[in-house]
Amino acid sequence: GAGVSQSPSNKVTEKGKDVELRCDPISGHTALYWYRQSLGQGLEFLIYFQGNSAPDKSGLPSDRFSAERTGGSVSTLTIQRTQQEDSAVYLCASSFQGGTYEQYFGPGTRLTVT
Amino acid sequence: AQTVTQSQPEMSVQEAETVTLSCTYDTSESDYYLFWYKQPPSRQMILVIRQEAYKQQNATENRFSVNFQKAAKSFSLKISDSQLGDAAMYFCAYNSVGSQGNLIFGKGTKLSVKP
Repeated sequence: GAGVSQSPSNKVTEKGKDVELRCDPISGHTALYWYRQSLGQGLEFLIYFQGNSAPDKSGLPSDRFSAERTGGSVSTLTIQRTQQEDSAVYLCASSFQGGTYEQYFGPGTRLTVT
Repeated sequence: AQTVTQSQPEMSVQEAETVTLSCTYDTSESDYYLFWYKQPPSRQMILVIRQEAYKQQNATENRFSVNFQKAAKSFSLKISDSQLGDAAMYFCAYNSVGSQGNLIFGKGTKLSVKP
């Protein structure tokens, strides 16, 4: 079956612009995670969605970052007024449920802010 | 807070040989899971192996096995009969039982395989 997909694969944007990153989880997976992978910080948790519950936004680094998940499926991560320190690979993962169910990762979006 | 440490930024192994990647972690919890993920240049993280803390037996998946030392909070990955396709970044990760599941990762070890 289809895995987790993310788009775009690569995104180059100018400082100050807004960007949207998309994640399509595996069908039937109720849990969805966003992580950020940067050279300086390694892999960091950003946000977690579980079904129709309120998301856990505790990992978002600033209020310029937001995410939504429509219909319990597709998720969009939005970064407003991008800064150079936002340059990173943004990974999305989904799992059947939260907790210790195996997480399946997408190929990520490489964001470069110039 | 839980932390995961990988002390080897880079490792190298000859094809067909065995290599061990190190990982230590810190937690006050007694029930948790530990994982090794592989990230090839394609960027897609792939689960290699997982270990449940309450299980004393070390997990094994084909050529991959772990040495889980709960008291020492150590979780190393052994790759036997290394293949060129094993070249990748390897990340150790932690997840506590009862949590929502967000993984805590180490910084990673870059493994090179020499033909």
